[in-house]
Amino acid sequence: DGGITQSPKYLFRKEGQNVTLSCEQNLNHDAMYWYRQDPGQGLRLIYYSQIVNDFQKGDIAEGYSVSREKKESFPLTVTSAQKNPTAFYLCASSIAPYNEQFFGPGTRLTVL
Amino acid sequence: GENVEQHPSTLSVQEGDSAVIKCTYSDSASNYFPWYKQELGKRPQLIIDIRSNVGEKKDQRIAVTLNKTAKHFSLHITETQPEDSAVYFCAASKPGGTSYGKLTFGQGTILTVHP
Repeated sequence: DGGITQSPKYLFRKEGQNVTLSCEQNLNHDAMYWYRQDPGQGLRLIYYSQIVNDFQKGDIAEGYSVSREKKESFPLTVTSAQKNPTAFYLCASSIAPYNEQFFGPGTRLTVL
Repeated sequence: GENVEQHPSTLSVQEGDSAVIKCTYSDSASNYFPWYKQELGKRPQLIIDIRSNVGEKKDQRIAVTLNKTAKHFSLHITETQPEDSAVYFCAASKPGGTSYGKLTFGQGTILTVHP
């Protein structure tokens, strides 16, 4: 299960606060992804990055922001503009786009 | 954009029976179709994938079939075991452009295998 890590495992946030979720990989993968998972639903893509210093919006990017300054790191910020942020957030990476994606253990975010 | 529909949403079988999960996709340009298994509280893990240059792929008790004309693909699990109980997700991806590598997932199927 090593190779891609996320922290923290659980995160609680008050309404109106921004919060940043960490995602790190030591697999030397070029591509990284952020997904949101809600109960009874599939994984929905928030942002993805095919290479360092480049990223693209996914299907539900509103209220989120990312950066990709280093190959191994792809942090996700959940801003106060995200109206319903309580969810399970999964980060993934792949050696290149269009290949198997490896997932991190996830961060469960709860807004109080 | 791509849309992936997955059925059924829940599936209950007896140990030893077969299980079949089906997905349909909307974008005929999609040509990579992975299946992920997610056990309760854990991360999704790839169990099998298929690319559009083949119609079927098998790995022990798991197989995936692809019908590009009808735009659907299916996961087949034979001789099911209780440890197969999990949520299964299908996904689709197409090459090229800014969507290169982007996976669109189905809604998931909760498979329960009863001993």
